[in-house]
Amino acid sequence: GQNIDQPTEMTATEGAIVQINCTYQTSGFNGLFWYQQHAGEAPTFLSYNVLDGLEEKGRFSSFLSRSKGYSYLLLKELQMKDSASYLCALTRFNTDKLIFGTGTRLQVFP
Amino acid sequence: GAGVSQTPSNKVTEKGKYVELRCDPISGHTALYWYRQSLGQGPEFLIYFQGTGAADDSGLPNDRFFAVRPEGSVSTLKIQRTERGDSAVYLCASSSRAGGTDTQYFGPGTRLTVL
Repeated sequence: GQNIDQPTEMTATEGAIVQINCTYQTSGFNGLFWYQQHAGEAPTFLSYNVLDGLEEKGRFSSFLSRSKGYSYLLLKELQMKDSASYLCALTRFNTDKLIFGTGTRLQVFP
Repeated sequence: GAGVSQTPSNKVTEKGKYVELRCDPISGHTALYWYRQSLGQGPEFLIYFQGTGAADDSGLPNDRFFAVRPEGSVSTLKIQRTERGDSAVYLCASSSRAGGTDTQYFGPGTRLTVL
């Protein structure tokens, strides 16, 4: 199997930095995705890691360590609109389906 | 350009009825995916099309669920003899090609409620 674990909920303050972790157990995968999902809306693509290391995209960065079975999403300069669920997902070798974690619900307070 | 669209946005039906959910992928995207999302959970894979053919239907929960994509564009997810446990948001996504590394873009979903 490929259990994907994320914290259920997190809170943070506007302007702060927050790190959302994702750990997984799988024998191999193509890449690891992060999606943002506001309540009642579709998931929106944020980032994708295939190699180990940090991928930076403006206020959002994502990190992957295959040897440690670990990824994180880093959100800087938090804004109220960043309140959403953040979904970690991966695609295994020879498949195209996304396998999602349960998501982390982030609440940003003023 | 236009994103993935899904109709209807909401569907309420009675137990035992038949429903069809439609997905229009991004123009030119050859890969199309259906997922199901229950409250508080991540999306769960149902079926994936590459062109007109179902390349992987391993996520369909049982034979009441069926999906088609006859012309390689629009897809319809069909659920027979609906049960209350089928209530969920059904999400469709598309990507430019299959290969496990292409970004999937999601539609707004159809919220299905089975009474």
